[in-house]
Amino acid sequence: GAGVSQSPSNKVTEKGKDVELRCDPISGHTALYWYRQRLGQGLEFLIYFQGNSAPDKSGLPSDRFSAERTGESVSTLTIQRTQQEDSAVYLCASSPPGKKTYEQYFGPGTRLTVT
Amino acid sequence: AQSVTQPDIHITVSEGASLELRCNYSYGATPYLFWYVQSPGQGLQLLLKYFSGDTLVQGIKGFEAEFKRSQSSFNLRKPSVHWSDAAEYFCAVGTTSGTYKYIFGTGTRLKVLA
Repeated sequence: GAGVSQSPSNKVTEKGKDVELRCDPISGHTALYWYRQRLGQGLEFLIYFQGNSAPDKSGLPSDRFSAERTGESVSTLTIQRTQQEDSAVYLCASSPPGKKTYEQYFGPGTRLTVT
Repeated sequence: AQSVTQPDIHITVSEGASLELRCNYSYGATPYLFWYVQSPGQGLQLLLKYFSGDTLVQGIKGFEAEFKRSQSSFNLRKPSVHWSDAAEYFCAVGTTSGTYKYIFGTGTRLKVLA
């Protein structure tokens, strides 16, 4: 079946512009995660959605970052007034319900470059 | 604080040699443990996971990992490395209390010599 998809795959933007990154999780997956991966570094948790519960936003680095999810479907990560330090690969992952909820399936990522 | 440490940033091995990638974690409860692999330009792929039971777990691509509670470790091993194993490997802890999420290590980049 189809995996997690993300768009765009690459995004180059000027400092100060807003960007929107999209994630389409695997159908039926109730949990959705966003991570940031800076060059040469590990994954940094940003935000977690689980069904209709309030999202865990504890990883968002500043109020310029926000994310939304429509039900158990698409999610968008928005970065306002982008800064050069926002340049990174943004990864989305989703997890199924039930016993396998701890297994995360990752998308290919969106590479964001802020010039 | 919860954390995952991968002490080796880079490892180079010859094709056919054995491999061990180290992972140490700090977590108050019994953790869920994972290894992921990230090939160049690709997303992360789950290699194997430990939830409970047998402390030696088998994964895909011939990898295995052993959970050692006394050492707070979950090292990844492969008896004979293939050139296609060159990639970055991430160890992760899945928190089992409160809001569920992963804590990732900083990764180990594996280079394989022909």
